[in-house]
Amino acid sequence: KNEVEQSPQNLTAQEGEFITINCSYSVGISALHWLQQHPGGGIVSLFMLSSGKKKHGRLIATINIQEKHSSLHITASHPRDSAVYICAVRFGGSQGNLIFGKGTKLSVKP
Amino acid sequence: DSGVTQTPKHLITATGQRVTLRCSPRSGDLSVYWYQQSLDQGLQFLIQYYNGEERAKGNILERFSAQQFPDLHSELNLSSLELGDSALYFCASSPRRGGELFFGEGSRLTVL
Repeated sequence: KNEVEQSPQNLTAQEGEFITINCSYSVGISALHWLQQHPGGGIVSLFMLSSGKKKHGRLIATINIQEKHSSLHITASHPRDSAVYICAVRFGGSQGNLIFGKGTKLSVKP
Repeated sequence: DSGVTQTPKHLITATGQRVTLRCSPRSGDLSVYWYQQSLDQGLQFLIQYYNGEERAKGNILERFSAQQFPDLHSELNLSSLELGDSALYFCASSPRRGGELFFGEGSRLTVL
């Protein structure tokens, strides 16, 4: 069974802290996405990875294909980073045919 | 703003009814994807269309159907609605050769 596990489920941090969210999957994948969902409900794609590391502003995403694991890091966290972060993987086939993790709810306190 | 437009934003209806959700992809994007987000199941892929043709199917119920029109907008039709169909329905689009997905704001369906 193709599964995607995220940890932690919930995370509370103080403004300025370094944050790590983890994602593990069960079998080989062709791509992994990190998504952000704000309380209003809209979803924004943060990264799409198939290997290595990507950086955008204060966000860094890494993937280790051998260990079937990816991490999303947020440096110098800010209250506006408060959202649900969702990992999604594509095991093959259509690029939109994704299996989603249950999400990590992040709350950053000022 | 992702450039993907979904309507309506909110919809309340009764069991047994039929609704249509609409999605306009980003200009130039040929692929449209539909996803359902419910409290118990989380996010699930429903179906993909590419340039008017169905390309992939996920966990889409037989009561649900979709199509993509020549102008590339897509519609998701939900019929014989049940309480469990209450969810957020997202549409996403992607460029012809790119992998990044651009999501709409979602349509929140409430079935009473």
